[in-house]
Amino acid sequence: GAVVSQHPSWVICKSGTSVKIECRSLDFQATTMFWYRQFPKQSLMLMATSNEGSKATYEQGVEKDKFLINHASLTLSTLTVTSAHPEDSSFYICSVEGQGRWDEQFFGPGTRLTVL
Amino acid sequence: QKEVEQNSGPLSVPEGAIASLNCTYSDRGSQSFFWYRQYSGKSPELIMSIYSNGDKEDGRFTAQLNKASQYVSLLIRDSQPSDSATYLCAVNGRDSSYKLIFGSGTRLLVRP
Repeated sequence: GAVVSQHPSWVICKSGTSVKIECRSLDFQATTMFWYRQFPKQSLMLMATSNEGSKATYEQGVEKDKFLINHASLTLSTLTVTSAHPEDSSFYICSVEGQGRWDEQFFGPGTRLTVL
Repeated sequence: QKEVEQNSGPLSVPEGAIASLNCTYSDRGSQSFFWYRQYSGKSPELIMSIYSNGDKEDGRFTAQLNKASQYVSLLIRDSQPSDSATYLCAVNGRDSSYKLIFGSGTRLLVRP
């Protein structure tokens, strides 16, 4: 498997501010990390794939300039929600590929963002 | 048609019964299939992965895959109240096999 942490676990911010969420792979070096968003009573939607040392790959419909992803090291990826608005309020979850099979993903505990 | 479909439930079973959760997928090229459990307010936890047709057992959990019918299921034997959660089916994506496509999940309630 893989052990993944996220920080913060929850955050409340005012509309127009930026929020940074950290995702760390604690027990191995993760070349690839994934960022998901989950609205209440909905399933997970992949936002972007974060690759160490290169630009993130965003899914269709996800604004690159609004959701900035930086994968600066093999253990850390960050997601910055810029100029957050109430509609950005959601549960943001990162995942990493496991050390065993490359297609298994293990999730961090998630960050609940509330924008007032 | 959604790429991965699940009945939203809730599926209610008595404690000790077998819970059967089902999932269909649209892409015949998918090769990897996963079941995740998600408790309310928490992130998903991987409980089973399956890659070949047939059954795969792990403790009280059995995953079943039928690629011809594009169908994957999860059986939970001796269901416990602690199994009450939403179960997400995930399939690797069409364009990039490392991407997972999630179903909307089935909510399971195990009655004491």
